[in-house]
Amino acid sequence: EVQLVESGGGLVQPGRSLRLSCAASGFTFDDYAMHWVRQAPGKGLEWVSGISWNSGSIGYADSVKGRFTISRDNAKNSLYLQMNSLRAEDTALYYCAKDSSSSPRYAFDIWGQGTMVTVSS
Amino acid sequence: SSELTQDPAVSVALGQTVRITCQGDSLRSYYASWYQQKPGQAPVLVIYGKNNRPSGIPDRFSGSSSGNTASLTITGAQAEDEADYYCNSRDSSGNHLGVFGGGTKLTVL
Repeated sequence: EVQLVESGGGLVQPGRSLRLSCAASGFTFDDYAMHWVRQAPGKGLEWVSGISWNSGSIGYADSVKGRFTISRDNAKNSLYLQMNSLRAEDTALYYCAKDSSSSPRYAFDIWGQGTMVTVSS
Repeated sequence: SSELTQDPAVSVALGQTVRITCQGDSLRSYYASWYQQKPGQAPVLVIYGKNNRPSGIPDRFSGSSSGNTASLTITGAQAEDEADYYCNSRDSSGNHLGVFGGGTKLTVL
């Protein structure tokens, strides 16, 4: 079964850090680009960051550039998002999503169920 | 970064045809993908590329594009199609950036 399982979310104070993980199974992980997408409570989807199959191409939304770092470990079939200097506006459900191609094509054919990040004092 | 614009809400009578649109400069260069999201669930890809449906997506869903506008058409809408629909694409800046539309709430009457 093709599956993405996110973990690492939780309640964190403003200015602190959090690291999200996404475990992939059921497909050849290193054949595909991967992304993080978030959704604030009651709001729409926001693309956060994406990474190509070999980490050679990486992009970030303006809202997180300089604070978040995406990475992947193909040997462990895992995707990560290191989130530093967290702000209240980063509060959202964070989804891991598989691209349909090795380079980002922005067609996300598999999604995890998400991990909730709440930034509050 | 570029933006994608969607109508906030659209309604359709049961069994009728509805078109949901997405506008943005990036769509002149890149195809849009479309996602269906029901309350409490993760999004599901319904259309990608020129007009491709992933396995399991009913053929009443189709996609098209003209100029800066992409469209998702549901021919013969069913009650279970009531959901939020989002378009997305690559940013037109040439950098590796993605962008989503604001979403359209589809109500099936």
